[in-house]
Amino acid sequence: NAGVTQTPKFRVLKTGQSMTLLCAQDMNHEYMYWYRQDPGMGLRLIHYSVGEGTTAKGEVPDGYNVSRLKKQNFLLGLESAAPSQTSVYFCASNPVSGKNNEQFFGPGTRLTVL
Amino acid sequence: AQSVAQPEDQVNVAEGNPLTVKCTYSVSGNPYLFWYVQYPNRGLQFLLKYITGDNLVKGSYGFEAEFNKSQTSFHLKKPSALVSDSALYFCAARAGANNLFFGTGTRLTVIP
Repeated sequence: NAGVTQTPKFRVLKTGQSMTLLCAQDMNHEYMYWYRQDPGMGLRLIHYSVGEGTTAKGEVPDGYNVSRLKKQNFLLGLESAAPSQTSVYFCASNPVSGKNNEQFFGPGTRLTVL
Repeated sequence: AQSVAQPEDQVNVAEGNPLTVKCTYSVSGNPYLFWYVQYPNRGLQFLLKYITGDNLVKGSYGFEAEFNKSQTSFHLKKPSALVSDSALYFCAARAGANNLFFGTGTRLTVIP
């Protein structure tokens, strides 16, 4: 099992450009999440999905959109990138809902917006 | 508001000495508590969790954590630190089905 994978690993964008980050998991997990990690702020939840075809907003959703067309994939889109979106983005997944389920994380995508 | 606090940004400990990384939480209801570790340029890796039962939880790589309900704390501990334990440690709490709240992280440096 590859677990949770993310592409790309690094990306540099100019302000106003768009891009899509791809997250894939091969563990048949129902739940998937997108976080951003900024220095001194820990991880903050952007959007999450509780199953194929469903998405919901997290703590910091503004400026991002997501889609979950297939169970194994969770896409994070930036329509018009801003320097404030410079961050490291992590995808995570866990099995069917349960408070005791730990999340499995991908290796991260480092995004710089100039 | 629900939150997780890690009061120390940095913890330094000599190799072979015991280590403690502190975490306190504020969540409604019974919390489910987690510790994760992050090595440079890597994603978070699960270390251990507290769900219910024994207040002392044992996890990966010799780490353990003590749940203290009265002090709303979940401190991470290890009896004898290794240089390879140097990393960024995150405490997290879950109250609802989906929301996992993370602390800001504590950088542990083990000095040879």
